[in-house]
Amino acid sequence: ELKVEQNPLFLSMQEGKNYTIYCNYSTTSDRLYWYRQDPGKSLESLFVLLSNGAVKQEGRLMASLDTKARLSTLHITAAVHDLSATYFCAVDWLSGGGADGLTFGKGTHLIIQP
Amino acid sequence: DSGVTQTPKHLITATGQRVTLRCSPRSGDLSVYWYQQSLDQGLQFLIQYYNGEERAKGNILERFSAQQFPDLHSELNLSSLELGDSALYFCASSGTPDYEQYFGPGTRLTVT
Repeated sequence: ELKVEQNPLFLSMQEGKNYTIYCNYSTTSDRLYWYRQDPGKSLESLFVLLSNGAVKQEGRLMASLDTKARLSTLHITAAVHDLSATYFCAVDWLSGGGADGLTFGKGTHLIIQP
Repeated sequence: DSGVTQTPKHLITATGQRVTLRCSPRSGDLSVYWYQQSLDQGLQFLIQYYNGEERAKGNILERFSAQQFPDLHSELNLSSLELGDSALYFCASSGTPDYEQYFGPGTRLTVT
């Protein structure tokens, strides 16, 4: 059974600080996804990481993937209040040629305080 | 706006009843996925359809079923509802070779 573990599950940080969210998964997969969810809202796709060593950046967020270690990180640089949200990582439920059902971590609830 | 639409937005029903949730994927996307989000279980993959055919099954209960129609919209049918079925139900769609899944706004189901 594929397991996806995120840590920390809760994170309160100050504006301007840097921090990293970690995502470990239990079986081989070359595709890892990061999503953002605001309270009561849907999931917004942030990054799709498709190969070992992949690194993607968007604004203050940067995601990376190490398939050998089965680890992805989401790094937040100089956090701002607008980044407060719950962040999920997810891995394909089945490997294959197309996108399959995703197994999600429990999410990291991030609060950024002024 | 992801381009995925879901109806209804909210649904309140009683235990033992049956409901149908509807999803229209983004234009051109052949894959549709259903997910359940609850406080207890988190986000769980239920089932995937690709161009009308069932492709993968996740943690979907036997009381639940889904189908994808020729126009590619999908319906998730939930029957013999229990209090524990109260959750947010999301539909997502994707197109090959783009692996990204785009999520709809969700249907919030409350079973009383």
